Amino acid sequence: DAGVIQSPRHEVTEMGQEVTLRCKPISGHDYLFWYRQTMMRGLELLIYFNNNVPIDDSGMPEDRFSAKMPNASFSTLKIQPSEPRDSAVYFCASSFLHNQETQYFGPGTRLLVL
Amino acid sequence: DQQVKQNSPSLSVQEGRISILNCDYTNSMFDYFLWYKKYPAEGPTFLISISSIKDKNEDGRFTVFLNKSAKHLSLHIVPSQPGDSAVYFCAASANNNDMRFGAGTRLTVKP
Repeated sequence: DAGVIQSPRHEVTEMGQEVTLRCKPISGHDYLFWYRQTMMRGLELLIYFNNNVPIDDSGMPEDRFSAKMPNASFSTLKIQPSEPRDSAVYFCASSFLHNQETQYFGPGTRLLVL
Repeated sequence: DQQVKQNSPSLSVQEGRISILNCDYTNSMFDYFLWYKKYPAEGPTFLISISSIKDKNEDGRFTVFLNKSAKHLSLHIVPSQPGDSAVYFCAASANNNDMRFGAGTRLTVKP
């Protein structure tokens, strides 16, 4: 298995532009998580899905952020419009059932908003 | 609100010595604690965990200690190896998938 796949690995954009981050979870996993990592706050959970349904989006910073999971093998995190303070590394993770130990992380997308 | 805090952003240790990484939490509802290890340009990987019903869990060179009364846990690595150099994240959850992470501690093990 290739593990959790994220694309792009790096994204540089200008303030005001739309940014779309993509994630392919491990096949068979029914939970998918989006995290944001910053120097100040470490890893923050933004939203997670169970069987493609958003369960908890309380970590999404504001309305500029949205996430979708149209099927079991694909999810997107969209920022529109992007702002410099959105610059961070965004991780996607997937797991099987409720076992946190088996929450596998992707390599992350490093986003820089100028 | 930072419910999980790692107050030391970095730690440097000599190879062969013990590394002790600390973590404090504020939410008394947390009942499961984990440590993740992260290398540059990679996602975090699970390292070791402990349930609140225990005060110690050991896995090879890695031991996690939990002090519930102090809301404090620590990760001990002994002996430390250069390959242990990474960022270590402490995480906690309250019986669900909503893990809260600390800001991380960068460990450097010098040969």
